[in-house]
Amino acid sequence: DIQMTQSPSSLSASVGDRVTITCRASQSISGYLNWYHQKPGKAPKLLIYAASSLQSGVPSRFSGSGSGTDFTLTISSLQPEDFATYYCQQSYSIPRTFGQGTKLEIK
Amino acid sequence: QVQLQQSGPGLVKPSQTLSLTCAISGDSVSSDSAAWNWIRQSPSRGLEWLGRTYYRSKWYNDYAVSVKSRIIINPDTSKNQFSLQLNSLTPEDTAMYYCSKGVVAMDVWGQGTTVTVSS
Repeated sequence: DIQMTQSPSSLSASVGDRVTITCRASQSISGYLNWYHQKPGKAPKLLIYAASSLQSGVPSRFSGSGSGTDFTLTISSLQPEDFATYYCQQSYSIPRTFGQGTKLEIK
Repeated sequence: QVQLQQSGPGLVKPSQTLSLTCAISGDSVSSDSAAWNWIRQSPSRGLEWLGRTYYRSKWYNDYAVSVKSRIIINPDTSKNQFSLQLNSLTPEDTAMYYCSKGVVAMDVWGQGTTVTVSS
């Protein structure tokens, strides 16, 4: 199985900050990387697919980059509704695997 | 737009079988461009993909090795839904269970079902 490792595990930031979360795969996954966020009591929501494509309806302050083994999710200017837990997920091979999550908290 | 509605029991006894259903609206379980997944989430295991079913001229299934001997995911074309059966349950199967749509990225999710394995 491909292991996905996110950093940091948690992050404190303020409204308006620029934030970057990284995700590393245990082997090359080309561009087959997706990003989700999840709020308490809710299902994960797709933000970015194929490493850098913005899912329909997702604000443009979210962006993704990377290929191979190293990927980043950037939020250009944090809004109050962005405080959540963020997950990466590889879709290069079966089984699909997720990172352990990055909890983004209000400073 | 596509919506998924989950149903099934929230409490199951050890050694018994979990049965969950995911009803699809706005799409077809037989779509040749979709795949239908089951994922679970627990504090100890995080988000864990369990398996999927999809139709490409015939039906296919993929399962995670961790549950492969205990899991069945079935489509039901008459009701436009798909189901999860997980047998020989232990307390380690206690988790939130989600169904989702997606071949590559999972862009639609069910509301989740909290499943507790306890006597």
